[in-house]
Amino acid sequence: GAGVSQSPRYKVAKRGQDVALRCDPISGHVSLFWYQQALGQGPEFLTYFQNEAQLDKSGLPSDRFFAERPEGSVSTLKIQRTQQEDSAVYLCASSARGNNEQFFGPGTRLTVL
Amino acid sequence: GNSVTQMEGPVTLSEEAFLTINCTYTATGYPSLFWYVQYPGEGLQLLLKATKADDKGSNKGFEATYRKETTSFHLEKGSVQVSDSAVYFCALIRTGFQKLVFGTGTRLLVSP
Repeated sequence: GAGVSQSPRYKVAKRGQDVALRCDPISGHVSLFWYQQALGQGPEFLTYFQNEAQLDKSGLPSDRFFAERPEGSVSTLKIQRTQQEDSAVYLCASSARGNNEQFFGPGTRLTVL
Repeated sequence: GNSVTQMEGPVTLSEEAFLTINCTYTATGYPSLFWYVQYPGEGLQLLLKATKADDKGSNKGFEATYRKETTSFHLEKGSVQVSDSAVYFCALIRTGFQKLVFGTGTRLLVSP
C-alpha cells in the first residue's frame, strides 16, 4: 500500500469494554511497532514485531494489553476491560529490513468514557 | 536510561524568522537521532536523521547536527514559513535496539 493505515481512526468505548485496533503496515515491511501517545506528550513504545514474532513487549502497560501479528503483515492491538487512563492516540509504525526509519500511520484516537 | 529532552513550547515566530528547537539526549553507546514532525490532523513524518557523531541531517530547509560532546541534536531553519507550523519531536534509537524514544514535542506557531 501507499502508507501505513490504521482503523478505526476514532473509537469511543465505555469503561470495561474490550477494543481492537488494526494496523496495515507498508507492504513488505518486516518490522511493526505500536506506540501510545497521551495528549500533549510524545509517543511511548508499546511493542515490536519482526514478521510474526513479537520480539519486545516491554512497553505494554498491563496484561490488559495484547498485540498480535499472526501472518507477519496486519497487526491488531487489543485492550481488554478498558479504563479511562487508556484514552490516548495509538500509533502504528513499520520499517523495512535493515532500515531504522519508521513510517507512521495516522493513529487511532481512543476515548474511554 | 535512555531519554530525550526538548525545549518546551509553544515557540511563536513571525514568518522568515530563524528557528532553533533544542534537543538533548541521554543514551548509552551511539544512538541514531531523529526529528519527526506532526502537522495538524496528520501522522508523524520523519523530517531528518543522523546516525553518527558530526553527521548533519537536512530536509526542507531544516538542519540538525549530531553533537556527541554536548549530547545534542538541535533543529534549525534559517527562514520559517507559516506552513512549518506543527509539533516537532526529537527521538533516538539506541544501538542494537529498534524502538524509538521520543521527547515530549515542541509546538511551533508561525504567523504571517
